[in-house]
Formats: sequence, C-alpha cells, structure tokens
Amino acid sequence: GIQVEQSPPDLILQEGANSTLRCNFSDSVNNLQWFHQNPWGQLINLFYIPSGTKQNGRLSATTVATERYSLLYISSSQTTDSGVYFCGSNYKLTFGKGTLLTVNP
Amino acid sequence: NAGVTQTPKFQVLKTGQSMTLQCAQDMNHNSMYWYRQDPGMGLRLIYYSASEGTTDKGEVPNGYNVSRLNKREFSLRLESAAPSQTSVYFCASSEFSLHSGANVLTFGAGSRLTVL
Repeated sequence: GIQVEQSPPDLILQEGANSTLRCNFSDSVNNLQWFHQNPWGQLINLFYIPSGTKQNGRLSATTVATERYSLLYISSSQTTDSGVYFCGSNYKLTFGKGTLLTVNP
Repeated sequence: NAGVTQTPKFQVLKTGQSMTLQCAQDMNHNSMYWYRQDPGMGLRLIYYSASEGTTDKGEVPNGYNVSRLNKREFSLRLESAAPSQTSVYFCASSEFSLHSGANVLTFGAGSRLTVL
C-alpha cells in the first residue's frame, strides 16, 4: 500500500511565526486530507485537497499530485494551533505518523 | 447532531478479558472505520465497512473482530485482550461523493484502552 512520510516530526514555534508542514507519498495521491488532533485528542478535518490550493483563514494547503506531495501552511501561529497534524491519502485514508506542533506564547 | 459517538471513553482490561467498543453515527453515512493510534505510529486502519452488511480488513486486523450492526452502528470486539492492544481507538464514518470524488472522514472522540 501507499507509504506516507510527514516532515518535520516535531516543530516548536513562538506565537506569531509561520510554518510549513509536508507530506510525501510513495504512490498516486487521491482523496488527500489534512487533520488536526488537538491536545485533548480530537481529530478535526482541516482540508480535503486532492490537488491545487485551498485556504481557510490562517491555514492553507497545496497538493501537487503529479509530484506526490502536499504542504500545509500555518501563518501567524497561535497557541491553539498546537497539536498533531496528520495527512492521509486513498479512499480508506492511509495516514502518516504526524507532525507534533508546539506553539509557545 | 452528535456526529460520531464512541463508548466507552476509557477502559482498563486484564490480559485475556474480552470487550466491545461501540460506535454510532447519526450522519447517515455509508462507510465506517476503526483505527488505532499508538505513539510514533500515527493512525492505522484496523477494519472498515464500506456499507451496511460488509466489512473488510485494514492494515492491522489481527486480534479484532467487527460487526456492522446496521447503518448507524459499527462495533469493534477484542476477544482475548493482550497488552499489545493498549492503544487509543478511533471510529470514523464517511460518505463518498460521486460528484467530487471525495470521501471525507469524520472521527469520534476516541476510546483509550489499557490492557494490563
């Protein structure tokens, strides 16, 4: 099955900084989604982004399907952005291991 | 709407005991899933059900059984729990869109299981 590699595994930011999270895929990308897991464990869908670019407030995501990667941009980070970010691909969603983001005040 | 509801939220078992994790969704979704989350491993698919009456194995099905009781409910059973099954379990549901090709998952709050 598809392999999903996320980078970086950990990221520590000061409030207000920008960041870029990346997912690389070993095979063709479809049904690509980004999730945020908050410190209480809840998983929230951020984007369905099989190709192209989408924006939602301070967050945006870009998928280049032909090159098998996706990027999640977080601008002007806030402490509430802390948590683990997961990307997943394929109909049944195969996930990467996640990026643990810590935003310090 | 409650979305996806999982019970129990926490459970402690002894090795060899059995238990069932319950999941129900009120979004009229056809597909339902069980994932487990372990430190450093991300989310791994245990079983899924594409529609009522069907179930299929995912990446890590050993030691588990599932039942798609009806369209709303999808349960995960551990017949003889082992310490390796200590994990956080997430149920999810989705509805495939023929129009967009999207199969967007909605997750429950998770169930933390400890096997001693």
